[in-house]
Amino acid sequence: EVQLLESGGGLVQPGGSLRLSCAASGFTFSSYAMSWVRQAPGKGLEWVSGIGGSGGTTYYADSVKGRFTVSRDNSKNTLYLQMSSLRADDTAVYYCAKDRSSGLLGGDYFDYWGQGTLVTVSS
Amino acid sequence: DIQMTQSPSSVSASVGDRVTITCRASQGISNWLAWYQLKPGKAPKLLIYGASNLQTGVPSRFTGIGSGRDFTLTISSLQPEDFATYYCQQANSLPRTFGQGTELEIK
Repeated sequence: EVQLLESGGGLVQPGGSLRLSCAASGFTFSSYAMSWVRQAPGKGLEWVSGIGGSGGTTYYADSVKGRFTVSRDNSKNTLYLQMSSLRADDTAVYYCAKDRSSGLLGGDYFDYWGQGTLVTVSS
Repeated sequence: DIQMTQSPSSVSASVGDRVTITCRASQGISNWLAWYQLKPGKAPKLLIYGASNLQTGVPSRFTGIGSGRDFTLTISSLQPEDFATYYCQQANSLPRTFGQGTELEIK
């Protein structure tokens, strides 16, 4: 059974940093691209960042480029999102999601998601 | 970026009703479209991929059709567990983008 378990969310002041983790199990982690998708309060879904199966390809939304860094440790089956220079509009539930088809970061669907971790940026 | 527009933004219906949600892409995306179901506090769920392919384990009352720019998700006979928010997502090109969501409420 595929499981994705996010952790690391919490309350942080504007300008602060936070690292999210996503522990994966139930599939060959290195064979699939992974992503972070967020949902701000009362808003829709936004694809924030993605990373290929080998870690060699990454994507960032313009809204987080230069502030967030996605990485993965395939030996630990874990996905990370290092967030810095956090702003109030980064407040959201952050979901970890697995690509359906392959390790290449391209057009694809998210076939499994975690339950999310809440990040609140506020003074 | 490809913009995805869903309608309606919310709909009220009763158990047993048939409901249709539409999604329009700002440019043609062939059949590179998925539908997801979100419930508060739960992991989002993939329902349909490739515009019309039912994800494993999803009940057959969910149907997706469309290609190019226009797509629909139909729930043929609403069940109590179907009241949720639904999102479309295009997978034709990066960045992957979502519609703004359709909230399905109990009448």
